[in-house]
Amino acid sequence: EPEVTQTPSHQVTQMGQEVILRCVPISNHLYFYWYRQILGQKVEFLVSFYNNEISEKSEIFDDQFSVERPDGSNFTLKIRSTKLEDSAMYFCASSEVGIYGYTFGSGTRLTVV
Amino acid sequence: AQKVTQAQTEISVVEKEDVTLDCVYETRDTTYYLFWYKQPPSGELVFLIRRNSFDEQNEISGRYSWNFQKSTSSFNFTITASQVVDSAVYFCALITFDGSSNTGKLIFGQGTTLQVKP
Repeated sequence: EPEVTQTPSHQVTQMGQEVILRCVPISNHLYFYWYRQILGQKVEFLVSFYNNEISEKSEIFDDQFSVERPDGSNFTLKIRSTKLEDSAMYFCASSEVGIYGYTFGSGTRLTVV
Repeated sequence: AQKVTQAQTEISVVEKEDVTLDCVYETRDTTYYLFWYKQPPSGELVFLIRRNSFDEQNEISGRYSWNFQKSTSSFNFTITASQVVDSAVYFCALITFDGSSNTGKLIFGQGTTLQVKP
């Protein structure tokens, strides 16, 4: 069964550093998403991406965040200057059209120290 | 505004008991989808079911069953004869369509932590 692959599975970074989280969506999917889950809390939508542009973003997704699909296969989330409160599990997801085939990756656990 | 409420924060049962996890949603849209996900201690999100707003048939899959009632805006999840391996956090989620566009944003509930004791 096709999978969404996220790397790395764990990342520790120092406060103020830039971090890039990587995702390889399912190959024929057209919609891409990032979600965040702070430990012990619910999963929250960050951003959706379609046709090489952001289609929707939440209030969490401020100027510190950016997304990119640099080479037609990877989908990245960049946090420019990490803060302690950015520590969370970050999930990438992709879907064919809207909700069909909606698939999550296994997540990247980011720890900011 | 769209919202998903899972009022039960934690549930603890003894193995072989049946348990129902409640989910209540809010939306003004007539077309929407509801999901349940399981999050085991390893952290990944495991898809369990998707149901669209036009299909109110209940569904059974092995020990799992789902009761969708539009009249009460609820999509409850029952595990029959629970097992220790069912211990996890369970999330209910909602996607809506506004008729002109859909960005596929999933709105999650707070989650219910289920502990099944041997």
